[in-house]
Amino acid sequence: QKEVEQNSGPLSVPEGAIASLNCTYSDRVSQSFFWYRQYSGKSPELIMSIYSNGDKEDGRFTAQLNKASQYVSLLIRDSQPSDSATYLCAVNSDTGNQFYFGTGTSLTVIP
Amino acid sequence: DAGITQSPRYKITETGRQVTLMCHQTWSHSYMFWYRQDLGHGLRLIYYSAAADITDKGEVPDGYVVSRSKTENFPLTLESATRSQTSVYFCASTATQGMNTEAFFGQGTRLTVV
Repeated sequence: QKEVEQNSGPLSVPEGAIASLNCTYSDRVSQSFFWYRQYSGKSPELIMSIYSNGDKEDGRFTAQLNKASQYVSLLIRDSQPSDSATYLCAVNSDTGNQFYFGTGTSLTVIP
Repeated sequence: DAGITQSPRYKITETGRQVTLMCHQTWSHSYMFWYRQDLGHGLRLIYYSAAADITDKGEVPDGYVVSRSKTENFPLTLESATRSQTSVYFCASTATQGMNTEAFFGQGTRLTVV
């Protein structure tokens, strides 16, 4: 069983603050890592992918990967109320075609 | 419309009935997946398919049947629905570019078994 662990939250941050979401995974051979955002009643949508150690920035979002620690995180800068959603961490299997998801972290940005 | 579509979006069925959830994609992606999403469990893989006529079990396959006679369609059938199968079901497909694979999801089907 390949496990992906996330703190379910809820995580609440004030508008304009930095939201930090964390994820750990158990399979050392995992190569690809993803963050999906899911609004209530909607399907997951991809917001970030990261494949190598270090940071990857895209607008207000930064993904951080540390394969040695089997840890991936997502930072959301200048958080907005529209960022309020559940964030799912996903890990690609070693075969490349199965995705394993965490249970998600619920984020609320308070205006 | 381009993308991945599921039907129906909402379904209420009775215990013991057979129900089929449909999934259609227009990208010709080889891999397709069915997940169920329940509170506290996240997304759990039910079945997946690597290509037409090739399917395999995921984490929670019991009570479900899939088929894939055409690349673009991947229906999921509940042979005899139970209340424990009340859930939101997502179909997904994956696209690979070089070493990178990404998953794309349909809108979901909310199934209630009464």
